[in-house]
Amino acid sequence: AQSVTQPDIHITVSEGASLELRCNYSYGATPYLFWYVQSPGQGLQLLLKYFSGDTLVQGIKGFEAEFKRSQSSFNLRKPSVHWSDAAEYFCAVGRGGFKTIFGAGTRLFVKA
Amino acid sequence: NAGVTQTPKFQVLKTGQSMTLQCAQDMNHEYMSWYRQDPGMGLRLIHYSVGAGITDQGEVPNGYNVSRSTTEDFPLRLLSAAPSQTSVYFCASQRSSHQSSYEQYFGPGTRLTVT
Repeated sequence: AQSVTQPDIHITVSEGASLELRCNYSYGATPYLFWYVQSPGQGLQLLLKYFSGDTLVQGIKGFEAEFKRSQSSFNLRKPSVHWSDAAEYFCAVGRGGFKTIFGAGTRLFVKA
Repeated sequence: NAGVTQTPKFQVLKTGQSMTLQCAQDMNHEYMSWYRQDPGMGLRLIHYSVGAGITDQGEVPNGYNVSRSTTEDFPLRLLSAAPSQTSVYFCASQRSSHQSSYEQYFGPGTRLTVT
């Protein structure tokens, strides 16, 4: 069955420190992969996406993610976190058509 | 360009009441969908539409109806509200299924409480 796992329900990082959010997926073929961010009281916004080609993709707000086929992972990274990055982050997978499967989300807290 | 709009932002219903959540997009997107978001469960697809007049069920369709008479609008109807339908509801749209436009645009959400 297709699924997305985000192992960390919440993570706390100090401002200026690096960040890595984990995402693992189960899918029959190489899926399209996405990271979305949700600020409090808002809808989701796309951070970045991977379809094929270079396995390291750059997104908005200084985020990047790396697709590792052997580990079925698509982890999100940022070298230096800002207080405004505090939000909930969702990993998602899809493949053609329209159905996208979302993970349960990881809430990021940023310490001053 | 307003993007995806949803009304109302908040709603409280009593068990058994019916209501319609409104969703509209002004981007001429082919696809529209409704999700519900519950703590620890991410987003779950309720219903979706691949064009005017065409709808289909998602993962959790029971208790909800949809229709799509125009490209712009995709209302979600709760037939007889139950406390289990207390959730945050998001509408999303997507231009097409092609790789170049495979990105969903989300509305701001409707927070529904059923007592």
